[in-house]
Amino acid sequence: ETGVTQTPRHLVMGMTNKKSLKCEQHLGHNAMYWYKQSAKKPLELMFVYNFKEQTENNSVPSRFSPECPNSSHLFLHLHTLQPEDSALYLCASSQVEKAGGEKLFFGSGTQLSVL
Amino acid sequence: RKEVEQDPGPFNVPEGATVAFNCTYSNSASQSFFWYRQDCRKEPKLLMSVYSSGNEDGRFTAQLNRASQYISLLIRDSKLSDSATYLCVVLGAAGNKLTFGGGTRVLVKP
Repeated sequence: ETGVTQTPRHLVMGMTNKKSLKCEQHLGHNAMYWYKQSAKKPLELMFVYNFKEQTENNSVPSRFSPECPNSSHLFLHLHTLQPEDSALYLCASSQVEKAGGEKLFFGSGTQLSVL
Repeated sequence: RKEVEQDPGPFNVPEGATVAFNCTYSNSASQSFFWYRQDCRKEPKLLMSVYSSGNEDGRFTAQLNRASQYISLLIRDSKLSDSATYLCVVLGAAGNKLTFGGGTRVLVKP
């Protein structure tokens, strides 16, 4: 499909749980992103990894911890989340430093519910 | 003023009709503009880039008005499958920040 795969598709967790979201891109891109989409709000950029280096952290609470072991894989580790963290978490990739490199390719997202 | 603003809709459109909607942006130095389409409970997908001269892709036409700082999307001969939320995305002046609008919901009805 889009070349960006995310797992799991759905996740329900309690506030004391620890879980991880996984993203893999098969497009040979050099940048990966985590976005959060809450109901009736625009997509919010959480983290950017450019050539495996974290280049942006948009004041995201420390209960969200990203990890980018290589340019194809991205994780979001979740710990002691709050109910207001329930949202759709989208991974995306792009090829920066190339014409049109700002175009994002999204994974299908993880619908997260925190109880 | 929001960086990128869209009418949330919904725009209820009879099948076969034409619908158009705008997206305004606050930073006059913004570099690039895009329309993404997002179906319910699915990921956004790039629909088209918006060039300064305007561009057309089949039934879809995008326009950029830098003077008034808005972009538009027009859909001709609407199909039921065009029902979706259309997200406006603006690339910032430094070329390193994409900002999403809240989306405009379009419902095409028979």
